[in-house]
Amino acid sequence: DTGVSQDPRHKITKRGQNVTFRCDPISEHNRLYWYRQTLGQGPEFLTYFQNEAQLEKSRLLSDRFSAERPKGSFSTLEIQRTEQGDSAMYLCASSSDAGDTQYFGPGTRLTVL
Amino acid sequence: AQTVTQSQPEMSVQEAETVTLSCTYDTSENNYYLFWYKQPPSRQMILVIRQEAYKQQNATENRFSVNFQKAAKSFSLKISDSQLGDTAMYFCAFMKQRGAQKLVFGQGTRLTINP
Repeated sequence: DTGVSQDPRHKITKRGQNVTFRCDPISEHNRLYWYRQTLGQGPEFLTYFQNEAQLEKSRLLSDRFSAERPKGSFSTLEIQRTEQGDSAMYLCASSSDAGDTQYFGPGTRLTVL
Repeated sequence: AQTVTQSQPEMSVQEAETVTLSCTYDTSENNYYLFWYKQPPSRQMILVIRQEAYKQQNATENRFSVNFQKAAKSFSLKISDSQLGDTAMYFCAFMKQRGAQKLVFGQGTRLTINP
């Protein structure tokens, strides 16, 4: 069990560019979550997958954001036409079943110039 | 909607002292989970302790314990014999038993342990 991994750890991009982040959950965890954390704040929920199905999305997830989890394993989060307000830490977490603890990855820090 | 409030933005204590971090929450749910997560500087979020709302007994993990007051919707974290490695942001989080079980976090408390 190697824990939740995320790639890249840091991403600097120019406004208007598209970016994609990847999350590899703990193996056999069927639940996967994306959160966004801005400086000095607690993480905020973005979206949730159970296996390959995206079951809930936050209102924070505008139409420029899309997430996928093909085959119920790793997940990707894409942001199109990035804006400066998208600058944040994007955290991924996974858990094995209902009520279980969510384990977090190291996050991807996005800076939009 | 659930909300979590941490009223202490920053706290600072001397090594080996005991410190208590406060957390209150608002919910109409009867069954839920509460967590304390720790986020050291530039490092990832890790679980400190969890509490199931249906359990009356307060959870403990070595030097970490909670005071769970369900009626008051209060969930404080006590760190005994604090160590330099306890320096971190601490987040209180709520999770419903039903549905997506997303975590709802407080604003965090920055705890500094001084030598």
